[in-house]
Amino acid sequence: DQQVKQNSPSLSVQEGRISILNCDYTNSMFDYFLWYKKYPAEGPTFLISISSIKDKNEDGRFTVFLNKSAKHLSLHIVPSQPGDSAVYFCAASAYDYKLSFGAGTTVTVRA
Amino acid sequence: GAVVSQHPSWVICKSGTSVKIECRSLDFQATTMFWYRQFPKQSLMLMATSNEGSKATYEQGVEKDKFLINHASLTLSTLTVTSAHPEDSSFYICSAGGQRETQYFGPGTRLLVL
Repeated sequence: DQQVKQNSPSLSVQEGRISILNCDYTNSMFDYFLWYKKYPAEGPTFLISISSIKDKNEDGRFTVFLNKSAKHLSLHIVPSQPGDSAVYFCAASAYDYKLSFGAGTTVTVRA
Repeated sequence: GAVVSQHPSWVICKSGTSVKIECRSLDFQATTMFWYRQFPKQSLMLMATSNEGSKATYEQGVEKDKFLINHASLTLSTLTVTSAHPEDSSFYICSAGGQRETQYFGPGTRLLVL
């Protein structure tokens, strides 16, 4: 049972524009959410996270928004750069540190 | 940042053989490591939690006799795929991290069973 869902398998955006990646979850016990970036043949690298006590967290070009009532979070990348082309995974965690991942969204930034 | 390595990065083996994959935390100690597998275009699925000095805990549906995990030290965990079959072909990734907020992932091991 997929508890974390990324319904858009791919996203294409022009360089300089905003990339918006979406993620939905079903388990109300999740209280910590993370975004990972992954290049081919590499492991995911941590990008940004947010606790359920917040609704927004910002780090440079990356901002994560959390809507607990909708069980939805999003990642905004502004401005998008060619180096941002990768697969982005949304992950969620409850008290036990285990991560549940979404299926990923492949982002392609066009020059 | 913290570095996690995996060895080998890829392996091809014949059906019926066993394959060992190593996961090392290079610059920090990890009492807990996690093993995931990923099929093409699918999410990373947690297989098991490896605890230093004790038995691993496996997720539902993962055969513990098939996927043997040993966490012999604070910097090394191994996953052995026993009697591998073609359906075990996958991308196996480990992670390590004592913090809830982040886990540091290895580069992964691609296993192909012929």
